[in-house]
Amino acid sequence: KAGVTQTPRYLIKTRGQQVTLSCSPISGHRSVSWYQQTPGQGLQFLFEYFSETQRNKGNFPGRFSGRQFSNSRSEMNVSTLELGDSALYLCASSLGQGMRGYTFGSGTRLTVV
Amino acid sequence: DQQVKQNSPSLSVQEGRISILNCDYTNSMFDYFLWYKKYPAEGPTFLISISSIKDKNEDGRFTVFLNKSAKHLSLHIVPSQPGDSAVYFCAVTTDSWGKLQFGAGTQVVVTP
Repeated sequence: KAGVTQTPRYLIKTRGQQVTLSCSPISGHRSVSWYQQTPGQGLQFLFEYFSETQRNKGNFPGRFSGRQFSNSRSEMNVSTLELGDSALYLCASSLGQGMRGYTFGSGTRLTVV
Repeated sequence: DQQVKQNSPSLSVQEGRISILNCDYTNSMFDYFLWYKKYPAEGPTFLISISSIKDKNEDGRFTVFLNKSAKHLSLHIVPSQPGDSAVYFCAVTTDSWGKLQFGAGTQVVVTP
């Protein structure tokens, strides 16, 4: 079966712009989580959605937001981009029951210039 | 504050020998522990996990050990193979979904 698909794979944006990243989970998976990976901070949890509801949120400013659609696909949005937002953004999906089944996508590499 | 620590940023091991990766955590409320492997330009791949009610879990060449009193877990890979060369992350959680807290990762290099 298809894995977790993230689009686009690479993105270059200018400071002050906004960006939307997309994640299509594995078919049947209803939970989608987002993580940011940077060399300095490592992998950090952004937020998690289950059945279109945000169930959990990490410690990021309000410029970072997300949503989940009825087909479980998820998007995350970053507004007013800063240089420090340059990172690999990873999405993970699971059935939503227990932690064993989280599958990650290959990520979107965002570069802010 | 860093609640999950992998103090060894890198590990070099010969093919066929054992790789031992360590992870320490600070919060005794964490009750589920996972190890992921990551290649460059790919997302992390789940390897093995353990719940707080157990102290050992095996899956093929991979074994995870949990010492709750020391707040320490380790991953043993036996025997190590060249394809095991990757960055390994430990991750911990307090609930059944959503938020994983990751360590900084250990780069493993398996040499022939």
